[in-house]
Amino acid sequence: GNSVTQMEGPVTLSEEAFLTINCTYTATGYPSLFWYVQYPGEGLQLLLKATKADDKGSNKGFEATYRKETTSFHLEKGSVQVSDSAVYFCASLKAAGNKLTFGGGTRVLVKP
Amino acid sequence: DVKVTQSSRYLVKRTGEKVFLECVQDMDHENMFWYRQDPGLGLRLIYFSYDVKMKEKGDIPEGYSVSREKKERFSLILESASTNQTSMYLCASRRQGANTEAFFGQGTRLTVV
Repeated sequence: GNSVTQMEGPVTLSEEAFLTINCTYTATGYPSLFWYVQYPGEGLQLLLKATKADDKGSNKGFEATYRKETTSFHLEKGSVQVSDSAVYFCASLKAAGNKLTFGGGTRVLVKP
Repeated sequence: DVKVTQSSRYLVKRTGEKVFLECVQDMDHENMFWYRQDPGLGLRLIYFSYDVKMKEKGDIPEGYSVSREKKERFSLILESASTNQTSMYLCASRRQGANTEAFFGQGTRLTVV
């Protein structure tokens, strides 16, 4: 079945540091891949997505590239801000499927 | 903008009570979902529905049931609440089709005492 594995947190960094959160997936076929963000006290919001190999999703300075050869979808941001402190979830949706499969979430704390 | 609204942000219920969590979406989405979120476990799918009156079990359906009488509304029911059902519950909806993302409600934090 499908599964998503992402690095455990918490990840603590200083403002303007570089952020990487690793995400790998297992799935048959070609799933769509997503990153969601959850700010404190809120539900999940879509951050970015990619629907086929080599696609790059980007939003709010974050980027992730769909790597079929390594079954990965790592999230990166070149210079984080305190406001990026949140929990980040990687997710996959298999082709013709209905259900998103989520990773365990990675808490990121950015200090001034 | 798509809006997914959960009826309560916080609930406190007693062990053995029957609990209803309500979720409404306003974008005519076919698919609706209930997840629970627990520290260290991420999001786990309880049930989902792909059409009115249709439902399918997710990964952890035990102790829960659902109801979808209207397309916009998806209810999660705890038949007899237990302390191990204390959790954050998240509702989501999604348009049927490849590559479409899910939209989430703000969550309901349920405490069973």
